[in-house]
Order: sequence, then C-alpha cells, then structure tokens
Amino acid sequence: QSALTQPRSVSGSPGQSVTISCTGTSSDVGGYNYVSWYQQHPGKAPKLMIYDVTKRPSGVPDRFSGSKSGNTASLTISGLQAEDESDYYCCSYADNYVVLFGGGTKLTVL
Amino acid sequence: EVQLVESGGGLIQPGGSLRLSCAASGFAVSNNYMNWVRQAPGKGLEWVSVIYSEGSTYYADSVKGRFTISRDNSKNTLNLQMNSLRVEDTAVYYCARGRFPWTAAFDIWGQGTVVIVS
Repeated sequence: QSALTQPRSVSGSPGQSVTISCTGTSSDVGGYNYVSWYQQHPGKAPKLMIYDVTKRPSGVPDRFSGSKSGNTASLTISGLQAEDESDYYCCSYADNYVVLFGGGTKLTVL
Repeated sequence: EVQLVESGGGLIQPGGSLRLSCAASGFAVSNNYMNWVRQAPGKGLEWVSVIYSEGSTYYADSVKGRFTISRDNSKNTLNLQMNSLRVEDTAVYYCARGRFPWTAAFDIWGQGTVVIVS
C-alpha cells in the first residue's frame, strides 16, 4: 500500500490555470474510475472537491475539474482565486478494498 | 443537519490503548460506508479503515491487527479501538462518511480528534 504521488507544490497567478497530478498504478488510479480530490485549509477538515474522477459535488465551483489518463489523475483549477490557496489531496480506491491518498500538494496563489 | 463529531482522543503511552468515537447526526451510520482517516502532524492524509453498510471491515496495512472499527447502531456512532499504540500513530483522527454508492469518496468529515502517543 504505497501512497499516490503528487507534486509537493504548485503555484499560479490569479486568473491563471494550474494542474495537479496524481500518479498511481494499475492497482489503484489506473484500475478504477474512483479518484477523488480534497481541499484542506490549515487546521480544517478536508473538503470533497471532485469524485469519480470528473464529478463535482453540489456547491463546488466549475473552475475545478478532474481527469485521468492511464495511471495518472489530474485536478485542474482555472481562473485561480486567492481563496484557492490550500493543500490538495488525491485519493483512489485500490485493490483489496483499501483506499490510498496522495502525499498532498500545496497550491500557492502568487 | 448532517454532522460528525469525534471524541476520545488524548495522550497515551506507547503500547497503550484508546477508543475513539464519532457521533453522527442527520443520517444513520448503519446505512453508510463509514471511515477513519488520520493526519500526522505536518503530514498528509492517511486512510485507516472502513466499515461497509453490510458490516465488512477493511484496514490499512499500518494498523491491521491493532485497530478495530465498529459501530453502535443504537447510538448512531462509529468507533475505533486502537491497541498496541505506537509513536507513529500520533495524528488527528477524522471520521468521514463515504459517498453512496461507495467509490472511496468522502463527503462528510468530522472536525477531528487528536491522539498523541508519547
């Protein structure tokens, strides 16, 4: 059970787009369309932003979108806003009924 | 209001035991896929365990054989019995509800309870 691989940090200016990658294996990300993404502000509980690779829960802005190709999933945030600055985590269902998280990515809005 | 509230955290010596609880309101834990997720200080999220609505349980390798997830339907609570605690179990422990149908997405989170093993 190895954690999924995310870049430690990404950054972008207001209005720009950024993409955060999440790399796993055929036993997790590549094997199931069950990737979710979470936003976590310091000292707060995580918030679900994307589920089932591409779906957005009610209330999440459509600036947030998800995709997947092979063993790598991606979260794209377009039209960056100051309040998007946060930590982001990917998550995937994996073989043998377990769940894996990525190591997290710190997004800085310049 | 749909809500989860954890309790039971604290300071415990290595080798000790602790029982966490998570009180749910606004929905029934028995009808949902309920999870524990933890976060060590300054680190990322780590899934710990899940109990399915039909009762099956699954664990991360790091806690298998030491932690036990359970639920009390009469009290509408989720529990985590933690035995043989190690320093590396120090973390904020969150309970989280799995979306239905279960695809390993967590839509409701508690505020977390802190466990310090030292």
